[in-house]
Amino acid sequence: GEDVEQSLFLSVREGDSSVINCTYTDSSSTYLYWYKQEPGAGLQLLTYIFSNMDMKQDQRLTVLLNKKDKHLSLRIADTQTGDSAIYFCAEAKGSGNTGKLIFGQGTTLQVKP
Amino acid sequence: GAVVSQHPSRVICKSGTSVKIECRSLDFQATTMFWYRQFPKQSLMLMATSNEGSKATYEQGVEKDKFLINHASLTLSTLTVTSAHPEDSSFYICSAGVSTDTQYFGPGTRLTVL
Repeated sequence: GEDVEQSLFLSVREGDSSVINCTYTDSSSTYLYWYKQEPGAGLQLLTYIFSNMDMKQDQRLTVLLNKKDKHLSLRIADTQTGDSAIYFCAEAKGSGNTGKLIFGQGTTLQVKP
Repeated sequence: GAVVSQHPSRVICKSGTSVKIECRSLDFQATTMFWYRQFPKQSLMLMATSNEGSKATYEQGVEKDKFLINHASLTLSTLTVTSAHPEDSSFYICSAGVSTDTQYFGPGTRLTVL
């Protein structure tokens, strides 16, 4: 099966909170990431969390990590139409120059006015 | 800071020709660059990892003779798709960084092979 899994689609109303979920399989991953991709563009790093943390907050973004269940979530508070994009979670396998990122399938977030 | 550029952003070529895509780290030196491929509505799949001055490490299933990677300097890596075919049409994205912990992504190159 896939190393990293996400639900494919989420629709919310502007001003609501969005919660995007992700599960991963490698318990040795040191870092877990959230990236945003707008149509036809590359990836923008939104935030990341180190594996020994449970939570990280950065302005409207809150990342929760349940290491026991290998579950990662991204909460976007006060979601705006500009937040509409595809969101990828990724886990880092290995480290240093031999490491690589394994991405989930991406969750398309649709924000309705 | 930490800007990565790709050139070209879009390329259309005929089947059988070769296409070179450049990835540059503009304001930092990248010891490692990564090349990904993304099909429509799908995730990014790592193709290869290249370290400056050494041969690239290819992921399983990626043909190294078809996807030539050169990482001649700390700021430039190139991906050459040789003898391109329509099934090679995809979105190619590079990233650059000091390690996996800090990867900065380029804007991507859309390749269409006719």
